[in-house]
Amino acid sequence: AQSVTQPDIHITVSEGASLELRCNYSYGATPYLFWYVQSPGQGLQLLLKYFSGDTLVQGIKGFEAEFKRSQSSFNLRKPSVHWSDAAEYFCAVGSSNDYKLSFGAGTTVTVRA
Amino acid sequence: NAGVTQTPKFQVLKTGQSMTLQCAQDMNHEYMSWYRQDPGMGLRLIHYSVGAGITDQGEVPNGYNVSRSTTEDFPLRLLSAAPSQTSVYFCASSSLSDVYGYTFGSGTRLTVV
Repeated sequence: AQSVTQPDIHITVSEGASLELRCNYSYGATPYLFWYVQSPGQGLQLLLKYFSGDTLVQGIKGFEAEFKRSQSSFNLRKPSVHWSDAAEYFCAVGSSNDYKLSFGAGTTVTVRA
Repeated sequence: NAGVTQTPKFQVLKTGQSMTLQCAQDMNHEYMSWYRQDPGMGLRLIHYSVGAGITDQGEVPNGYNVSRSTTEDFPLRLLSAAPSQTSVYFCASSSLSDVYGYTFGSGTRLTVV
């Protein structure tokens, strides 16, 4: 069964600084990988996804993520954080033979002025 | 507005009571699912459906029932609520042609006392 680990429960970053959120997955075959963002009181919004091909994936809101098979990782990055990026971020993995997503526990990002 | 609508947004139940969380989508999506979100645990799949008349269990199905009589609706039933079911519940839908292109509802916050 697939699983996802997000090692950082909470990250605080200054506005304008760079951000990197870690994600490690466990899956036997080529995974489908996703990053979602959840603003307070809202549902989840897809930031980006990786199915195959180029290992550097661009998403919405200036985010990108890099798939590294050798490290079983799919870390999310943003070069310059805005106050509106304060939210909870979830990494997820899906299998190629069903429709289920397995989510990590999430990383809460706080942005300080 | 097209999307996934969940009702109610908030609910308080007494232990042993029953209730139904409603989920409706107007995008003609075949795939619908229910997740619960608990602090430090991310989202966990309760039940899912790949079309009208077809449902299956996810990771944490105990204590919950679902049915899918129409494409649009996917209600989640709690037969006898327990404090362990206190959580935020999210419904999501997607098209089978873009199965991981989930659209999430805004959630139902349920408290069982």
